[in-house]
Amino acid sequence: GAGVSQSPRYKVAKRGQDVALRCDPISGHVSLFWYQQALGQGPEFLTYFQNEAQLDKSGLPSDRFFAERPEGSVSTLKIQRTQQEDSAVYLCASSSVPTGGWEEQYFGPGTRLTVT
Amino acid sequence: AQSVAQPEDQVNVAEGNPLTVKCTYSVSGNPYLFWYVQYPNRGLQFLLKYITGDNLVKGSYGFEAEFNKSQTSFHLKKPSALVSDSALYFCAVRDMNSGGYQKVTFGTGTKLQVIP
Repeated sequence: GAGVSQSPRYKVAKRGQDVALRCDPISGHVSLFWYQQALGQGPEFLTYFQNEAQLDKSGLPSDRFFAERPEGSVSTLKIQRTQQEDSAVYLCASSSVPTGGWEEQYFGPGTRLTVT
Repeated sequence: AQSVAQPEDQVNVAEGNPLTVKCTYSVSGNPYLFWYVQYPNRGLQFLLKYITGDNLVKGSYGFEAEFNKSQTSFHLKKPSALVSDSALYFCAVRDMNSGGYQKVTFGTGTKLQVIP
């Protein structure tokens, strides 16, 4: 596709509900990242995939957060038993470079999650 | 550990005047440095990056940034501000020696307001 897309754009969940957030990266991009952006803050790293392999999940705040990318393209971030502190914008980004760190990332518009 | 500081929450500048958005960083090795811009309800967009070489980096929309190793800074600049430049700007860093994948750290952002 032309860019990174995310769905849904907005999600309201009641505390305790499970949610699933989807990311479609740019076609052919090897690297995929999830970030959490709280109001007034910069993006905070959650997890990184190289193709289907989750190489870094050190940023996931708890075991309620789970991410997958089974076929190396679309990724899903799942949050179980949502809490109010999970309210944030969840950003997905992709990059064509598997390692190196010098390549810029392409971001999706984000999913704004509000937990009530 | 790596970190980024954007000391100004907001910068106001008159249209046509030069603008500067400040960023300082801390890494144990050598840095990769990035600037991204975020418009309302949109994902982050890449502006420019420093990898190595010339300390003055030119990017999109007439923006440039100067890498200063002694001051550990990477300030974003533009000679003549446009109202359309009003947005949220994020500085980001990755330690070149931090390992095999692209974990980056973002600053908290600076809101640029260009006044007509």
